[in-house]
Amino acid sequence: GENVEQHPSTLSVQEGDSAVIKCTYSDSASNYFPWYKQELGKRPQLIIDIRSNVGEKKDQRIAVTLNKTAKHFSLHITETQPEDSAVYFCAASNQAGGNEKLTFGTGTRLTIIP
Amino acid sequence: DAGVIQSPRHEVTEMGQEVTLRCKPISGHDYLFWYRQTMMRGLELLIYFNNNVPIDDSGMPEDRFSAKMPNASFSTLKIQPSEPRDSAVYFCASSSSPGQGASEQFFGPGTRLTVL
Repeated sequence: GENVEQHPSTLSVQEGDSAVIKCTYSDSASNYFPWYKQELGKRPQLIIDIRSNVGEKKDQRIAVTLNKTAKHFSLHITETQPEDSAVYFCAASNQAGGNEKLTFGTGTRLTIIP
Repeated sequence: DAGVIQSPRHEVTEMGQEVTLRCKPISGHDYLFWYRQTMMRGLELLIYFNNNVPIDDSGMPEDRFSAKMPNASFSTLKIQPSEPRDSAVYFCASSSSPGQGASEQFFGPGTRLTVL
């Protein structure tokens, strides 16, 4: 089955700086890669996703890049703000046959230092 | 829409007792997922349903865990008998798939289970 590794496990950045979180996956057939944000005591919520037919996707201050050859994808947050502090999870899925199963990484706790 | 609804929000029980967690997915969603979240193991998929039918239960830890979805608006996750190592936050999530592969999974608020 799919295995997703995520690094780093914790990350502290100064407010206004950029943050980058990286994930690798094992199943070359995976073709859907979402990122979820979980604030303390809250539920995970989707912030951005990318499919394997594109290499990059942006939404305001967040962007995701995908390298299918190397089987890794990354989340980039620019101009970080205190409200970006949370745990971020990457995930991967092989959509073949209507499969909806997501395999999550272990999470990155991002702390923005004011 | 009220979103995914889970009950109870908190459950404290003693080892050996039966625990039943409940979930109401978003109306119109045809996929329902049960996850367990712990510090040690992160976010694990236990089982998911499509149109009330279990599709993948490979994440269910052992026979003490069972899940049902008797209709499109209700699902239960049961643990019998419960053990201290079952202590975790259990999330239910739902999604709809418009034929283009997986779409956003909407998570419920979770049930924090403590087994003493």
